[in-house]
Amino acid sequence: EDQVTQSPEALRLQEGESSSLNCSYTVSGLRGLFWYRQDPGKGPEFLFTLYSAGEEKEKERLKATLTKKESFLHITAPKPEDSATYLCAVDNAGNMLTFGGGTRLMVKP
Amino acid sequence: DGGITQSPKYLFRKEGQNVTLSCEQNLNHDAMYWYRQDPGQGLRLIYYSQIVNDFQKGDIAEGYSVSREKKESFPLTVTSAQKNPTAFYLCASSHRTSNYGYTFGSGTRLTVV
Repeated sequence: EDQVTQSPEALRLQEGESSSLNCSYTVSGLRGLFWYRQDPGKGPEFLFTLYSAGEEKEKERLKATLTKKESFLHITAPKPEDSATYLCAVDNAGNMLTFGGGTRLMVKP
Repeated sequence: DGGITQSPKYLFRKEGQNVTLSCEQNLNHDAMYWYRQDPGQGLRLIYYSQIVNDFQKGDIAEGYSVSREKKESFPLTVTSAQKNPTAFYLCASSHRTSNYGYTFGSGTRLTVV
């Protein structure tokens, strides 16, 4: 059974304080790993897709990396507008995503 | 613009009442999904459909029903058998070869009054 575990559950940062969110996964055959951002009361929005170990993707202050067992979402010099819940999900080639529980990020000015 | 639309945004249900949440997409996606999200929790799969006129139960299907009569539409009915329906409901769709995973709607918040 595919499993995705995200840590920490919640993370408080000061503006400019860089950190990383973790997504550990077990899957029978990884077709892709996805990161989403979800603002309160809204649907998740797509951020990145990673396909193979060693791959990295960047967008503004965010960088996602992938190993054979986990993915990290690195946030460099975060701003208050980066506050959101970040969701990780894996696709096992069955066209079905398994989601982690999310990390709620709060960035204080 | 292509997208996925959920309505209504807020819905109130009385005890013993069935309510239906709407989900429509114009992305020409084959698959559609319904998730439930409770405060501070992840997404839990209720039902999914990969082709018209076919759907499968997810992890928490009890007390819910769906239909898929058209490719564009996947309505969810929350029946009176669902004892704790207050939650945020998300609809999503995907294409078999998508590199973006799922496209989500903006959600419906259902409250029992």
